[in-house]
Amino acid sequence: QSALTQPASVSGSPGQSITISCTGSSSDVGGYNYVSWYQQHPGKAPKLMINDVSNRPLGVSNRFSGSKSGNTASLTISGLQAEDEADYYCSSYTSSSTLVFGGGTKLTVL
Amino acid sequence: QVQLVESGGGVVQPGTSLKLSCAASGFTFRSYAMHWVRQAPGKGLEWVAVIWYDGSNKYYADSVKGRFTISRDNYKNTLYLEMNSLRAEDTAVYHCARGDGSYYSHHDYWGQGTLVTVSS
Repeated sequence: QSALTQPASVSGSPGQSITISCTGSSSDVGGYNYVSWYQQHPGKAPKLMINDVSNRPLGVSNRFSGSKSGNTASLTISGLQAEDEADYYCSSYTSSSTLVFGGGTKLTVL
Repeated sequence: QVQLVESGGGVVQPGTSLKLSCAASGFTFRSYAMHWVRQAPGKGLEWVAVIWYDGSNKYYADSVKGRFTISRDNYKNTLYLEMNSLRAEDTAVYHCARGDGSYYSHHDYWGQGTLVTVSS
């Protein structure tokens, strides 16, 4: 159950787009379309932003989108806003019927 | 509205036990799988365990397998995590989260968490 690999940090200016990658294996990300993305602000509980690779739950801004290619999933945030500054985590279902998270990515809005 | 409220955290010595609870309200608890997810201070999220809606299946992270037990009481709308043989590395905020979707693979609601500190 090794953690999925995410960049430690990404940054962008307001209005720009950024992409956060999440790399796993054929036993998790590559084997199932059950990748989720969570946003966490300091001291707060995580919030679901994307489920099932690319589905956006009700109430989540359409500036957030998800995709997957092979063993790597990606979260793209377009039209960056100051409120998007947070930690982002990916998660995947695995062949062991468990879940695994990525190490997290700190997004800084410059 | 959906609410998940954890309790039972505290400071304990290595090798001892602790039982966490998560009180659920605002939804039909018996219809959903439930998870525990933890976060060590300053670190990332770590999935801990899941229990299916009827308690028929339970799965654990390797790091807690054999030491932690997840359970639920669908009459009391409460989720539990019994933690034995606690280690310093189990120190974390423990969140309960509702599982949804195929294989209950995403968490659509989270509690604020309860802090467990394992220290001598």
